[in-house]
Amino acid sequence: GNSVTQMEGPVTLSEEAFLTINCTYTATGYPSLFWYVQYPGEGLQLLLKATKADDKGSNKGFEATYRKETTSFHLEKGSVQVSDSAVYFCALIRAAGNKLTFGGGTRVLVKP
Amino acid sequence: DTEVTQTPKHLVMGMTNKKSLKCEQHMGHRAMYWYKQKAKKPPELMFVYSYEKLSINESVPSRFSPECPNSSLLNLHLHALQPEDSALYLCASSQGDKGQKLFFGSGTQLSVL
Repeated sequence: GNSVTQMEGPVTLSEEAFLTINCTYTATGYPSLFWYVQYPGEGLQLLLKATKADDKGSNKGFEATYRKETTSFHLEKGSVQVSDSAVYFCALIRAAGNKLTFGGGTRVLVKP
Repeated sequence: DTEVTQTPKHLVMGMTNKKSLKCEQHMGHRAMYWYKQKAKKPPELMFVYSYEKLSINESVPSRFSPECPNSSLLNLHLHALQPEDSALYLCASSQGDKGQKLFFGSGTQLSVL
């Protein structure tokens, strides 16, 4: 079956530090890959997505590249802000499916 | 309008109560979803409605009963819940039902006493 594994948190950083959250997946075929972010007390928001190999998703300074050879979709941001403190979920959905499979989530705390 | 609206935001109920959670979207999306999220865990899929028909039921206990009155509305009827059902219940929608990105509501925080 499909599965997503992401690094456990919490990840604690200082403002302007570089952030990487690792995500690897197992899936048949060619899934679409997503990063969702959940701010405290809120629902999930789509941060970025990629639908095929070598696609790069980007939004709000975050980037992730769909690497089929390593089955990975690592999230990066060059300079984090306090407002980036949240829980980040890596997820996949099969091309012909409607069931989103989430990783366990990584809590990120950015300190001033 | 790119929002999924859920009401109420918070709900406290006893184990003998009957209550309903409501979800609404006006983006013309044809698939709607209920997820359950326990603290510090990822969301778990409960139900999927596709074109107003139930297409996925992830073996959810019958004390949870979904309803899709029309393409914009999704309800979750609750009856005889247990304390372990306390969680954040998230509604989501997507334009189609195949590999689409999901738009989530802010959720209903449910506490069962």
